[in-house]
Amino acid sequence: DAKTTQPNSMESNEEEPVHLPCNHSTISGTDYIHWYRQLPSQGPEYVIHGLTSNVNNRMASLAIAEDRKSSTLILHRATLRDAAVYYCILRDVQAGTALIFGKGTTLSVSS
Amino acid sequence: EAGVVQSPRYKIIEKKQPVAFWCNPISGHNTLYWYLQNLGQGPELLIRYENEEAVDDSQLPKDRFSAERLKGVDSTLKIQPAELGDSAVYLCASSVTSAGELFFGEGSRLTVL
Repeated sequence: DAKTTQPNSMESNEEEPVHLPCNHSTISGTDYIHWYRQLPSQGPEYVIHGLTSNVNNRMASLAIAEDRKSSTLILHRATLRDAAVYYCILRDVQAGTALIFGKGTTLSVSS
Repeated sequence: EAGVVQSPRYKIIEKKQPVAFWCNPISGHNTLYWYLQNLGQGPELLIRYENEEAVDDSQLPKDRFSAERLKGVDSTLKIQPAELGDSAVYLCASSVTSAGELFFGEGSRLTVL
């Protein structure tokens, strides 16, 4: 499985935008970029995913580099509830493989 | 709509004792996953089911771990006998298909003394 590289931790202030980077230089053509997050004492939850084009949903935006070797999860206005571990995962949905998690980025949000 | 339900939420046992975890996936979800999560680490896949068939169990330590998904709905993960290193959170997830978004339960936290 192609690997992703994320910073171990990041900090943000409440109501400010947050940009969470992810490098995936060995991504293949059929890999989708998925983001999940895990709030304290809970299971992971889906945030967003994309293949080539930038994606927006009610939770976040996903910006994908033109060469697809990196991507950025954007939280437009961080809240205290966004403090969590964010996982960037490559998934070949055509192969039907399970999610393979790394260590993710721990996001801290201060008021 | 109810989410993925897991029980028990917490379990404390002595080493060498057996333990079982139960998972009820979201209705209509054909794919079910069991993950293990150690403190400070991301979840690690143990086994994946498509309906009642285990299609990926390569990471399941079969000497002491077993799982079943009878009738393709609920699933049980068993450890016998438990070891100190099995202390972790056991997460169950389900998805409509193998390509779909995963929905996770809150997990079962196991402490082996």
